[in-house]
Amino acid sequence: DGGITQSPKYLFRKEGQNVTLSCEQNLNHDAMYWYRQDPGQGLRLIYYSQIVNDFQKGDIAEGYSVSREKKESFPLTVTSAQKNPTAFYLCASSVRRASYEQYFGPGTRLTVT
Amino acid sequence: GDSVTQMEGPVTLSEEAFLTINCTYTATGYPSLFWYVQYPGEGLQLLLKATKADDKGSNKGFEATYRKETTSFHLEKGSVQVSDSAVYFCALVNDYKLSFGAGTTVTVRA
Repeated sequence: DGGITQSPKYLFRKEGQNVTLSCEQNLNHDAMYWYRQDPGQGLRLIYYSQIVNDFQKGDIAEGYSVSREKKESFPLTVTSAQKNPTAFYLCASSVRRASYEQYFGPGTRLTVT
Repeated sequence: GDSVTQMEGPVTLSEEAFLTINCTYTATGYPSLFWYVQYPGEGLQLLLKATKADDKGSNKGFEATYRKETTSFHLEKGSVQVSDSAVYFCALVNDYKLSFGAGTTVTVRA
């Protein structure tokens, strides 16, 4: 089955540690995205990538980093510089950047204490 | 910039009741409009979409009409089921950027 996988579903880290969230898709989509979801708020775009080896900052990129070395993979690193890292993180992909429909993974809930 | 405003929840209904979730938007140009649904513990799924004024999107008994004159895209369902309990997000795409509303939590009781 085609889709997007995110792992792990739940992640716990101590403050000051970097942590990397995994996102893999087998939909052959060019574009991939990372969003952050906080209670009572909509999704906010962290980073997006339109093609391998290229990515752009979204609205809230500070404290995060990404890489896009393979078409299928778009990992997100939450660095110690991110002041409020505890959140639900969603990865998405679309056929291309101009596509209207984005397909979402199941999400990773990160808790930093 | 672009923004989406949707009615605050939570909304609690009985089975077979009528559901309306209001959504209004602010955007330049001609955005495309969407409703996404998020079931507990899961990612978002596209529920329906409309790409131009007066288009009606529909899926699984849900409907929404793109009203440019009132900049609205209200979601409706005539008879909800317990399985419709979820968080519903209104969203727009303009210049390739997807903007979301805050989400409305809907709980349907048997």
